[in-house]
Amino acid sequence: GAGVSQSPRYKVAKRGQDVALRCDPISGHVSLFWYQQALGQGPEFLTYFQNEAQLDKSGLPSDRFFAERPEGSVSTLKIQRTQQEDSAVYLCASSFGHSNTGELFFGEGSRLTVL
Amino acid sequence: AQSVAQPEDQVNVAEGNPLTVKCTYSVSGNPYLFWYVQYPNRGLQFLLKYITGDNLVKGSYGFEAEFNKSQTSFHLKKPSALVSDSALYFCAVRDTGTASKLTFGTGTRLQVTL
Repeated sequence: GAGVSQSPRYKVAKRGQDVALRCDPISGHVSLFWYQQALGQGPEFLTYFQNEAQLDKSGLPSDRFFAERPEGSVSTLKIQRTQQEDSAVYLCASSFGHSNTGELFFGEGSRLTVL
Repeated sequence: AQSVAQPEDQVNVAEGNPLTVKCTYSVSGNPYLFWYVQYPNRGLQFLLKYITGDNLVKGSYGFEAEFNKSQTSFHLKKPSALVSDSALYFCAVRDTGTASKLTFGTGTRLQVTL
């Protein structure tokens, strides 16, 4: 596709429910990132994939958060037993190579509200 | 560890006036520096980056930024602001010596008025 696509754009979950957020990166992009953006804050790094390999998951806030990219393209961020503090916009980004010089291309985000 | 500071929550400027949005950074090695803009309910859009070479970097929509190593700064500038520039601006840094994680500042809201 032309850009990074994320779905759903909006998700409302009851506390304790599991949610899955999908990211479809730009075709051919090797690197994929997940960020969490709380209201009024900058994006906070969650995890990074190079192709199907998850090279950095140091930003995942707890073991309730899990991300995968099994075929090196589409990625899913799963949050189990959601809590109110999980309410945020979850941003996915991709970049062409695995160089540190490349800019990230962001999707429009998935806004999660936990009631 | 790498970090970014954006000391101003909001910057107000009149249309036609020059604008500056401040950013300072901290890395253990050499920095790769980026500016992104975010419009309401939209994802972040890349504006410009500094990798190496000329300290003055030009980017999209007439924006530019100046890398200052001694002051560890990378301020965003535009000679003449437009009302349509009103948005949230984020500075970000990567340490050249580490993996690909990009660390963002907390953002500065730019408000341009007529």
